[in-house]
Amino acid sequence: DAGITQSPRHKVTETGTPVTLRCHQTENHRYMYWYRQDPGHGLRLIHYSYGVKDTDKGEVSDGYSVSRSKTEDFLLTLESATSSQTSVYFCAISEFRGQAINQPQHFGDGTRLSIL
Amino acid sequence: QKEVEQNSGPLSVPEGAIASLNCTYSDRVSQSFFWYRQYSGKSPELIMSIYSNGDKEDGRFTAQLNKASQYVSLLIRDSQPSDSATYLCAVKLRLGGKLIFGQGTELSVKP
Repeated sequence: DAGITQSPRHKVTETGTPVTLRCHQTENHRYMYWYRQDPGHGLRLIHYSYGVKDTDKGEVSDGYSVSRSKTEDFLLTLESATSSQTSVYFCAISEFRGQAINQPQHFGDGTRLSIL
Repeated sequence: QKEVEQNSGPLSVPEGAIASLNCTYSDRVSQSFFWYRQYSGKSPELIMSIYSNGDKEDGRFTAQLNKASQYVSLLIRDSQPSDSATYLCAVKLRLGGKLIFGQGTELSVKP
């Protein structure tokens, strides 16, 4: 299994509070991703990173920010959590071998986030 | 039109039968195609990748790709109850390498 650790695994918090989710990898992969998974919507990309301090938006980036100060860590922050951000969040990684489009992504175990 | 479409199911097959899961995609320049299996409450797990037209076999799994028809499928031979899961089709767009997922097909294998 790919060495990906997400923390926390479960979190319950209140509307308006900041929340940070952490993804840590031991594979030294260049690419890291944050997805959310909701019933009826499948997996949707929030943000991704293609290197240290290099990030870009996905299809559902509003209300989220990310940071990557080290290869192994990719943080997802909800600045002011809303109930619509209640979801399961997955981190994924993929390596770069000269042609990133051919490399599959491997997923962490997920974080179940509930915002009341 | 959604970029990646799958029948949501549930698809129910008897144990030992062949399960056929289908996926269509809209972007003609897509180059990489993946099938993930996701058990309830778990994370997606890569089971197959395919990049060229034709069939690719791995154990009981066969992925089939037809770029002209923009169609990719997954066949599971000798289906087992342990194959019961949601199967996600994912297509990697050439530009930016982003992975687009279908909604997933729920497979139920009955003993």
